[in-house]
Amino acid sequence: GNSVTQMEGPVTLSEEAFLTINCTYTATGYPSLFWYVQYPGEGLQLLLKATKADDKGSNKGFEATYRKETTSFHLEKGSVQVSDSAVYFCALSQGTGGFKTIFGAGTRLFVKA
Amino acid sequence: NAGVTQTPKFQVLKTGQSMTLQCAQDMNHEYMSWYRQDPGMGLRLIHYSVGAGITDQGEVPNGYNVSRSTTEDFPLRLLSAAPSQTSVYFCASTTGRNTEAFFGQGTRLTVV
Repeated sequence: GNSVTQMEGPVTLSEEAFLTINCTYTATGYPSLFWYVQYPGEGLQLLLKATKADDKGSNKGFEATYRKETTSFHLEKGSVQVSDSAVYFCALSQGTGGFKTIFGAGTRLFVKA
Repeated sequence: NAGVTQTPKFQVLKTGQSMTLQCAQDMNHEYMSWYRQDPGMGLRLIHYSVGAGITDQGEVPNGYNVSRSTTEDFPLRLLSAAPSQTSVYFCASTTGRNTEAFFGQGTRLTVV
């Protein structure tokens, strides 16, 4: 079945450092891929998405490229801020099960001033 | 613009008690789902619905019931609470295939 694997955390960075959070997936066909962010005490909210191979999703300085050949969707940001501290979830949805979004375990990011 | 609203935000139950977690959305989304979030395990799907009157089981349905009498509401019922059901519960809605999910703010449930 479909699955999502993302790097374990926590990840601790200093402000202005470069961020990469790895995400790989297993799915047949062509799923849509997402990154969600969860700030403390809140629900998940969409950060970015990509719906087909080679698409790049971007938002708030974050980027991720849909790589079908490596089944990956790594999240990157060139310069993190303290306000980026949160838990990040990679996810996929596909076809008739589109509402059954499959989530990775989440990666907690701490950014120090 | 309320989006997805969950109540209550916090709840403590004793083992064996029952309760209903409420979820309502005002976006006219067909699809709604319930997840539980546990440390190190991401979000796991409990039950989902593709429209009023239609529900189905997800990955971890045991101990939970759902119904969908209207497009807007999708309550989750715990029949006889157990400590293993201590978790954070999220309701989500989406317009359909391959689209983003909109989440409520969650209900933190503790069963003692």
